[in-house]
Amino acid sequence: GPKVLQIPSHQIIDMGQMVTLNCDPVSNHLYFYWYKQILGQQMEFLVNFYNGKVMEKSKLFKDQFSVERPDGSYFTLKIQPTALEDSAVYFCASSSSGGALAEQFFGPGTRLTVL
Amino acid sequence: SQLAEENLWALSVHEGESVTVNCSYKTSITALQWYRQKSGEGPAQLILIRSNEREKRNGRLRATLDTSSQSSSLSITATRCEDTAVYFCATEHDSGYNKLTFGKGTVLLVSP
Repeated sequence: GPKVLQIPSHQIIDMGQMVTLNCDPVSNHLYFYWYKQILGQQMEFLVNFYNGKVMEKSKLFKDQFSVERPDGSYFTLKIQPTALEDSAVYFCASSSSGGALAEQFFGPGTRLTVL
Repeated sequence: SQLAEENLWALSVHEGESVTVNCSYKTSITALQWYRQKSGEGPAQLILIRSNEREKRNGRLRATLDTSSQSSSLSITATRCEDTAVYFCATEHDSGYNKLTFGKGTVLLVSP
């Protein structure tokens, strides 16, 4: 089936540094999402993105977070500066439409460890 | 409190047996989805059941939805070892932007 890729699979950085998580969504999908999962907890919605704009974001999407998809390339999540509580697995997803019933296809996640 | 949550943390069955995972949610929904996540992979949708539907099937999978009790179940018949995974329910609220709210998941172990 359609695949979403995420690069890197693991990232270890020092607190205060910047990190960029990359997502290669399903070809021709137009809607993109980031979710965060802290170990042992449920996956939580961070943000969705369409047509170059953030459509909706949760309270977890702090001011230090930003997303973009320059020129139709990777959909990225940037955290600057990072904090210890940002350690989690970040999942990217994409869908062909933005309606409530559109299937989201998820990547395998990037495990971020902030020291 | 969780907006969506599965009722059991873990289940263990032998191959060939049937198993049911239950989920409850706390707000009105547009739809409820069941996802499966295998080790090292992202979640993959199994079944989407709309709020006006009571049952949905997909091969060996059967999902039910009871909006009056705000609960759902996912049943797997004739389980296989490859069904071993974490099973999540996720609800879609009418925000218009396809924002999913996930439960913590139920770990299912299917042994030979």
